Amino acid sequence: QSALTQPPSASGSPGQSVTISCTGTSSDVGAYNYVSWFQHHPGKAPKLMIYEVNKRPSGVPDRFSGSKSGNTASLTVSGLQAEDEADYYCSSYTSSHNFEVVFGGGTKLTVL
Amino acid sequence: QVQLQESGPGLVKPSETLSLTCTVSGGSVSNSNYYWSWIRQPPGKGLEWIGYIYYSGSTNHNPSLKSRVTMTLDTSKNQFSLKLSSVTAADTAVYFCARLPPATVTFDYWGQGTLVTVSS
Repeated sequence: QSALTQPPSASGSPGQSVTISCTGTSSDVGAYNYVSWFQHHPGKAPKLMIYEVNKRPSGVPDRFSGSKSGNTASLTVSGLQAEDEADYYCSSYTSSHNFEVVFGGGTKLTVL
Repeated sequence: QVQLQESGPGLVKPSETLSLTCTVSGGSVSNSNYYWSWIRQPPGKGLEWIGYIYYSGSTNHNPSLKSRVTMTLDTSKNQFSLKLSSVTAADTAVYFCARLPPATVTFDYWGQGTLVTVSS
């Protein structure tokens, strides 16, 4: 059981928008702005898409955006493209121990 | 461009020690701005943070793994390594290495992962 809760699947048609949620607690997502999102095409290296809730690394399209409300963070992919089909994982810093990062169980995004 | 590559045996027997190495290119494991981390993904499950090592040699690991984790750094080879002792089938997973900038608490570069199966 992952520490952060994500829906197992999400889908949308090309050009549409889809939002993936990541629910934690007041000890992780709700307490810190250290939420990240990763895109993973199986067999390849995961790619950082969003960090610190809503910041995009250089090279990540602005179709990807992040937000947070309370204990739930969200990743929105706008203008869906075929290459967006992948697994998406969220992570958060948590203060439960000296330093710890927790992840979500992942969401399989399907572009219909 | 920073690149990381995991290497090590793909099969480990129960009760033995899993050993993996991550080779870093395009960056230095001696850089004080980063932690060097291990993450794993059991089949069909989500990601689990294992721990990190800093250029000074200091380490931190997921408390769920108790004292089974040992991490070391080899600055001469620009590598860092993971040892996980007393493995069971539950340790079967794809193991990833990644760079972790502590200022942002994220993983900005990852290896592609290596599958380690625990089986007799």
